[in-house]
Amino acid sequence: GAVVSQHPSRVICKSGTSVKIECRSLDFQATTMFWYRQFPKQSLMLMATSNEGSKATYEQGVEKDKFLINHASLTLSTLTVTSAHPEDSSFYICSANLRSNYEQYFGPGTRLTVT
Amino acid sequence: GQQLNQSPQSMFIQEGEDVSMNCTSSSIFNTWLWYKQDPGEGPVLLIALYKAGELTSNGRLTAQFGITRKDSFLNISASIPSDVGIYFCAGHRRSGSRLTFGEGTQLTVNP
Repeated sequence: GAVVSQHPSRVICKSGTSVKIECRSLDFQATTMFWYRQFPKQSLMLMATSNEGSKATYEQGVEKDKFLINHASLTLSTLTVTSAHPEDSSFYICSANLRSNYEQYFGPGTRLTVT
Repeated sequence: GQQLNQSPQSMFIQEGEDVSMNCTSSSIFNTWLWYKQDPGEGPVLLIALYKAGELTSNGRLTAQFGITRKDSFLNISASIPSDVGIYFCAGHRRSGSRLTFGEGTQLTVNP
């Protein structure tokens, strides 16, 4: 149990375009999902907390108008990188908590490359 | 920034050796989690700890929640080549709080 999927696994886009990444909890419902960013050889950096039915909570320094998060259902959260720039190229990973415990399960990640 | 100090940063060992890594913090944590991340993949949960002093095993892996609630260690016994990867500790400082990560331990196992 506790499987989280992400789509796409890899995406290349041109500078100035927008990219949407989906995160799904496949076998459980998640009222809260998290979006992380990871640079090579570094730890995970939390970008925002996505709450079902309400606005996301963004970490300090993360532009909410650039990284749009929507958590429309208990099994789906989306991250849209708007007007992407090469510096947005990174590994984006989502995660979700099971309702009744603090175990956080991660998706397989999405490699974004902006050219 | 990071509130968990994880060490060592990297380890190079021979197959069959035992491995130990740990995380410490100046703050108290309510839960400790240990993850393994393979290249190009998301982290996979290995062990979750919920009580101070708790010692939990998962196959060849053993982790403990420090009695002071400010540290945790992960041991891997009889390492094998597929143990290669980056191991992260993580924890919740309080109920409902976000997960804080250590900086990771890169493990290399030579056959």
